[in-house]
Amino acid sequence: QSVLTQPPSASGTPGQRVTISCSGSNSNIGSYTVNWYQQFPGTAPKLLIFSNDQRPSGVPDRFSGSKSGTSASLAISGLQSEDEADYHCAAWDDSLRGYVFGSGTRVTVL
Amino acid sequence: QVQLQGSGPGLVKPSQTLSLSCTVSGGSVSSGGYYWSWIRQHPGKGLEWIGYIYYTGSTYYNPSLKSRVTISMDTSKNQFSLKLTSVTAADTAVYYCVRVISWGGNTKFDPWGQGTLVTVSS
Repeated sequence: QSVLTQPPSASGTPGQRVTISCSGSNSNIGSYTVNWYQQFPGTAPKLLIFSNDQRPSGVPDRFSGSKSGTSASLAISGLQSEDEADYHCAAWDDSLRGYVFGSGTRVTVL
Repeated sequence: QVQLQGSGPGLVKPSQTLSLSCTVSGGSVSSGGYYWSWIRQHPGKGLEWIGYIYYTGSTYYNPSLKSRVTISMDTSKNQFSLKLTSVTAADTAVYYCVRVISWGGNTKFDPWGQGTLVTVSS
């Protein structure tokens, strides 16, 4: 059971906006920044968003991140078929004294 | 740019020690400011952080695995390694080696190696 809670799935049609939530607590998201990783089947995760809302170079601006209190969100605007993947949130956790991940959300483009 | 390549046996017997290495190219494991980490993913599951080693050699492990984990560094080979003792079927997973950049309360894992599937079975 993951420390950070994500919905198992999300979906949308091409062009739609999809939002994925990541719920934590004061010991993790409430105190530290959140990163998001994108993972295609059979491949390694890739950094998508860091420090809550920063995009590494090369990541399309249709991906955006935000954080409020003990929750964070990843939004995909203008959904494209190539965005079908698993998305994982992550943050440091003081209580567990370790880095924790969400269980991942699979995004499907209908 | 920095690239990481993991390697090691894909099959380990129960109770034995899992040993993996990660070779870094395009950069040095002794470069200041970087941590080098191992993360695993059980089949069809989420990601689990195992631990990391700082460029100075200091280590920090996931408390749930600490008694069985050792992460070390070989600067002459530009590699870092993972040893996990007394493995069981629950340790079957894809193991990723990752560079960690940490600054002012922020941490990011980037880039990731390709992953090595390790199966624990007799």
